[in-house]
Amino acid sequence: SYVLTQPPSVSVAPGQTATITCGGNNIGSNSVHWYQQKPGQAPMLVIYYDGDRPSGIPERFSGSNSGNTATLTISTVEVGDEADYYCQVWHNSDHLVVFGGGTKLTVL
Amino acid sequence: QVQLQESGPGLVKPSETLSLTCTVSGGSISTYYWSWVRQPPGKGLEWIGQIYYSGSINYNPSLKSRVSISTDTSKMQFSLKLSSVTAADTAVYYCATVSISGYEFDSWGQGALVTVSS
Repeated sequence: SYVLTQPPSVSVAPGQTATITCGGNNIGSNSVHWYQQKPGQAPMLVIYYDGDRPSGIPERFSGSNSGNTATLTISTVEVGDEADYYCQVWHNSDHLVVFGGGTKLTVL
Repeated sequence: QVQLQESGPGLVKPSETLSLTCTVSGGSISTYYWSWVRQPPGKGLEWIGQIYYSGSINYNPSLKSRVSISTDTSKMQFSLKLSSVTAADTAVYYCATVSISGYEFDSWGQGALVTVSS
């Protein structure tokens, strides 16, 4: 089965840039989507199709995807960005949705 | 904007069947896949499966033998049944819409906590 690997945690100071990776075999050939989940809330889509932002998501959120790694970048991090972040793909060969294990972003 | 709301028992006994319903408003039944995702306490997201109004269904292989997803298009509802539950099935269960083009989950219900316990 297809596996997406994320670092369990990332820490960053306010105003700095946070980078969260999502590793998978040839993930660059898939569209990667990213979700933000705050405690007690449902996940929320923040990036789709590797780097597109849904309406209402700040430009500080961006994404890229190439080779075996997809990346979510949050620039000028704010305290309110502290959350769990999950990557996700549709693995077409298996007809399966796959989520990464999640990364807890801590804003120091 | 699509609105989704999960409903169903919050407590299920071991070996019994968990049943949840998701009521959808503000969207067209043919515009999305309709999906279920769960999240055990303190853990990550696990995809359960999805259904299209035409009847096309995909399930997580790890749950396939116990899970069933169906739709009632007349009521704008879709449902989840998970049989032979154990404590490991205790989780918050989310229903969500999935884009039919990119398979991103663009709307989510608030989630329903289901506890498996005698």
